[in-house]
Amino acid sequence: AQKVTQAQTEISVVEKEDVTLDCVYETRDTTYYLFWYKQPPSGELVFLIRRNSFDEQNEISGRYSWNFQKSTSSFNFTITASQVVDSAVYFCALSESNRGAQKLVFGQGTRLTINP
Amino acid sequence: DAGITQSPRHKVTETGTPVTLRCHQTENHRYMYWYRQDPGHGLRLIHYSYGVKDTDKGEVSDGYSVSRSKTEDFLLTLESATSSQTSVYFCATSFGQNPNTQYFGPGTRLTVL
Repeated sequence: AQKVTQAQTEISVVEKEDVTLDCVYETRDTTYYLFWYKQPPSGELVFLIRRNSFDEQNEISGRYSWNFQKSTSSFNFTITASQVVDSAVYFCALSESNRGAQKLVFGQGTRLTINP
Repeated sequence: DAGITQSPRHKVTETGTPVTLRCHQTENHRYMYWYRQDPGHGLRLIHYSYGVKDTDKGEVSDGYSVSRSKTEDFLLTLESATSSQTSVYFCATSFGQNPNTQYFGPGTRLTVL
């Protein structure tokens, strides 16, 4: 069965610090997708990034960067120079395909608090 | 933003009553999903649909049923609500097969007393 583990339940840092959120996954599929979603205090789920299993290039988007390492089954997320607006719960998810549908398996989430 | 709305946004009901949550999308997405979010569990898939009248069970489907009679609507029914079904319910949609990013609705907070 597929599994996603976000071992960090809560992280608290001071603004402008860099912070890394860990995500470790388990799957027997050779083709799969990994995702990160953000859930701000308002409650909606915001898509951040999708990465497929064949693409191990790291990605950077502004202050956000993602490190995908297939050898360690990890897909970590780093926020550089954190800001208060980054405070949210972040979820890592793994897709399982069935009849074309991509069923997502989520980690438990990491609550990130950025203090001014 | 996939133009997803959920109704109601909040509901309080009593144990044993039937409850139906509605997910409506305007993007003509083929795939639709229902998840529940509970502390310590992240989001867990309840049911999903891969087309009109085509649905399947997810990880936590017991006590729930779904229906999809047209592309834009996906209904989640709790036949006889229990307190363990108190949760936040999210609907999601996706356009097609790989790659297949899911976009989420705003959520429905359901409290079963």
